[in-house]
Amino acid sequence: EVHLVESGGGLVQPGGSLRLSCAASGFTFSDYWMTWVRQAPGRGLEWVASIKADDSNRFYVDSVKGRFTISRDNARNLVDLQMSSLRADDTALYYCASITMGYWGQGTLVTVSS
Amino acid sequence: QAGLTQPPSVSKGLSQTATLTCTGNSNDVGNQGAVWLQQHQGHPPKLLSYRNNNRPSGISERFSASRSGNTASLTIIGLQPEDEADYYCSAWDITGSWVFGGGTKLTVL
Repeated sequence: EVHLVESGGGLVQPGGSLRLSCAASGFTFSDYWMTWVRQAPGRGLEWVASIKADDSNRFYVDSVKGRFTISRDNARNLVDLQMSSLRADDTALYYCASITMGYWGQGTLVTVSS
Repeated sequence: QAGLTQPPSVSKGLSQTATLTCTGNSNDVGNQGAVWLQQHQGHPPKLLSYRNNNRPSGISERFSASRSGNTASLTIIGLQPEDEADYYCSAWDITGSWVFGGGTKLTVL
């Protein structure tokens, strides 16, 4: 059975940093692109970042470029999202996903507030 | 990184058929088609269809997807109360990003 388990969310002040982590199991992690998607309270889904299966390419939504870094460890089946210079509009539930495979975690909540 | 266009809401009666639309451009929907996601309140999204009409195992045949040019569609036949949810389309843009629609709230009357 496939599991994606996110961790690392929490309350952080504007300008602060957080590192989200997603632990994958139940599928051949190293074969698939992985993606972070976020959902602000009461809002729709927003793509944040994606990383190719072999880590040869990383892509970001314009609003997080230069502030967020996606990375992966195929030996440990982990995908991380390092977030810095956080802003109030980064507040959201952050999901780890393999979109085309239909694998989604339960999400981890990030709240940016003073 | 402009988003895909979905109607904000659709209302249909029990047992009726609903067709949800999703419009993009030649770089996204028109290139590789769309995925369709269903999200119930308080739950993560669930994949209903990918690359136009490939259904993951366990997804009811009442859900079918199609594409015409830059517009993708999701048709749900025989609407049931449990179909009431938010539906999102998404597509990979060849310039290097996933784009999502704003979501359609489906109400089953």
